[in-house]
Amino acid sequence: KNEVEQSPQNLTAQEGEFITINCSYSVGISALHWLQQHPGGGIVSLFMLSSGKKKHGRLIATINIQEKHSSLHITASHPRDSAVYICAVGPGTASKLTFGTGTRLQVTL
Amino acid sequence: DTGVSQDPRHKITKRGQNVTFRCDPISEHNRLYWYRQTLGQGPEFLTYFQNEAQLEKSRLLSDRFSAERPKGSFSTLEIQRTEQGDSAMYLCASSLNIGNEQFFGPGTRLTVL
Repeated sequence: KNEVEQSPQNLTAQEGEFITINCSYSVGISALHWLQQHPGGGIVSLFMLSSGKKKHGRLIATINIQEKHSSLHITASHPRDSAVYICAVGPGTASKLTFGTGTRLQVTL
Repeated sequence: DTGVSQDPRHKITKRGQNVTFRCDPISEHNRLYWYRQTLGQGPEFLTYFQNEAQLEKSRLLSDRFSAERPKGSFSTLEIQRTEQGDSAMYLCASSLNIGNEQFFGPGTRLTVL
């Protein structure tokens, strides 16, 4: 079993829909990261959080430490949101990241 | 500051050849990480540096792989005697300190024929 599990693996949505991507992890962590990867490979950090909730524009990330679960929400989705969204955790005091396999999101008109 | 840069962006090589990749982190960042990502998978940790010291290496990093960060600034990752299984995206990231957000470069896509 992977230390970081994401669901769903693939997601297709219509423009305007509310989207939720889930991440569960099995190790103790110091922080959880949500990353976005566009075709071509570049990775952009969206959020780093260790408790509660963060919001940036149409993106919201939440984490429940007790349940070892995080969600990434996208409100009013748009085709430009189409990308792979990756959850990664930094366990304990180590700074290296352990990644999930990603959720491929496609938003259509 | 232009962020983390990697060179080259793409490398095609024949099996058995040596390749070297370069990563230039954000200038004041003392931590530098190398990750490898194969198609359809999330990145996997390879190694990381604090300044010029290589503090941890993954068991994924076989004897054919070596990484350096000689002056605590840029880093190089060399793969000797490349194999087809080395084909992947090699990602570099940097951070200011332990526990801080990591900033990723665009990656170097290696194809071994």
